[in-house]
Amino acid sequence: GNSVTQMEGPVTLSEEAFLTINCTYTATGYPSLFWYVQYPGEGLQLLLKATKADDKGSNKGFEATYRKETTSFHLEKGSVQVSDSAVYFCALKNSGAGSYQLTFGKGTKLSVIP
Amino acid sequence: NAGVTQTPKFQVLKTGQSMTLQCAQDMNHEYMSWYRQDPGMGLRLIHYSVGAGITDQGEVPNGYNVSRSTTEDFPLRLLSAAPSQTSVYFCASSDPDSFSPLHFGNGTRLTVT
Repeated sequence: GNSVTQMEGPVTLSEEAFLTINCTYTATGYPSLFWYVQYPGEGLQLLLKATKADDKGSNKGFEATYRKETTSFHLEKGSVQVSDSAVYFCALKNSGAGSYQLTFGKGTKLSVIP
Repeated sequence: NAGVTQTPKFQVLKTGQSMTLQCAQDMNHEYMSWYRQDPGMGLRLIHYSVGAGITDQGEVPNGYNVSRSTTEDFPLRLLSAAPSQTSVYFCASSDPDSFSPLHFGNGTRLTVT
């Protein structure tokens, strides 16, 4: 079956530091990959996505590249801000008819300190 | 832009009580789903629906019931609340393809005492 593995948190960084959150996946076929962000007390919001190999998703300074050869979709940001403090979820959606469900990683909590 | 709307935002129940968590979406999405979020467990799928009149079980369906009489609404019923159902519940919807993201509501925080 499908699975998503994220690096365990929590991750604490100083403002303007470089961020990497690792995500690897197991799936049959050619899944679409997503990063979601959850701010305290809120629901999950789509941060970025990539739908095929070598695609790069980007939004709000965050980037992730769909690497089929390493089955990875690592999230990166060059300079984090305090406002980036949140929980980040990696997820996949498999290809094919009836493929509506997302499989989520367990989430990585990021805290950015001034 | 309402998106996915969940009510109530907070609820406290006593063991054995029943209640319905409401979810409505205005994006004409065929697919709707319910997740629960617990510390260290990520999000787990409870039930989902691929269209009006069609529902199916997810990973953790026991103790929950759903129905889908319209495209817009997908209520989640707790039949007899238990402390193990204390959680944050999220409703989500999407288009029925492999590329579209899920759109989430803001959640219902349920405590069962």
